[in-house]
Amino acid sequence: QLQLQESGPGLVKPSETLSLTCTVSGGSISSSSYYWGWIRQPPGKGLEWIGSIYFSGSTYYTPSLKSRVIISVDTSKNQFSLNLSSVTAADTAVYYCARNNVVGPYDYWGQGTLVTVSS
Amino acid sequence: DIQMTQSPSTLSASVGDRVTITCRASQSISRWLAWYQQIPGKAPKLLIYKASSLESGVPSRFSGSGSGTEFTLTISSLQPDDFATYYCQQYNGYSTWTFGQGTKVEIK
Repeated sequence: QLQLQESGPGLVKPSETLSLTCTVSGGSISSSSYYWGWIRQPPGKGLEWIGSIYFSGSTYYTPSLKSRVIISVDTSKNQFSLNLSSVTAADTAVYYCARNNVVGPYDYWGQGTLVTVSS
Repeated sequence: DIQMTQSPSTLSASVGDRVTITCRASQSISRWLAWYQQIPGKAPKLLIYKASSLESGVPSRFSGSGSGTEFTLTISSLQPDDFATYYCQQYNGYSTWTFGQGTKVEIK
């Protein structure tokens, strides 16, 4: 059974960089069939797609965050990561990692991790 | 960018009711649409993909329809476990994925 688990600091200071890692178990991140993505949800609000990465390293980002986001993959550790720079309180959210088929919906999700931006 | 608009934002219903949620895309997405259910404090759960295909293990009271720019999610007989927030998501093309703003189904 595929499992995804987010990890990283729960508190980040304004203007700093938010860094999260998603560890994939029960399956290979190097599969050619899937993308690996990050989605976030501010408290009490809806879901926002942040970006996705293919095992080859190809990345896709939502336009509103593109200037601040980097998603990377480490196939040797079966992990992918999110870096979001110059954070503000508006970046406070539950961050989810998830998997989708190439041209497909997100079928496996991590449990989510709350990241608060505050001094 | 493709924008997704759901209606209504909130829906009040009773157990046993037939419930319909609508999702509209700002441009044609063929049938590349998914529906998710989210219970507070939990990750979203995939219900429907490719507009009308039921994900394995999802009860048959859930159904989806539509193509192009207009889609619907129907719950044929609302059950207590169904009170949640529902999101549509487009995955047309390979470069962007967009969610609707969500529809909260509340107990009447």
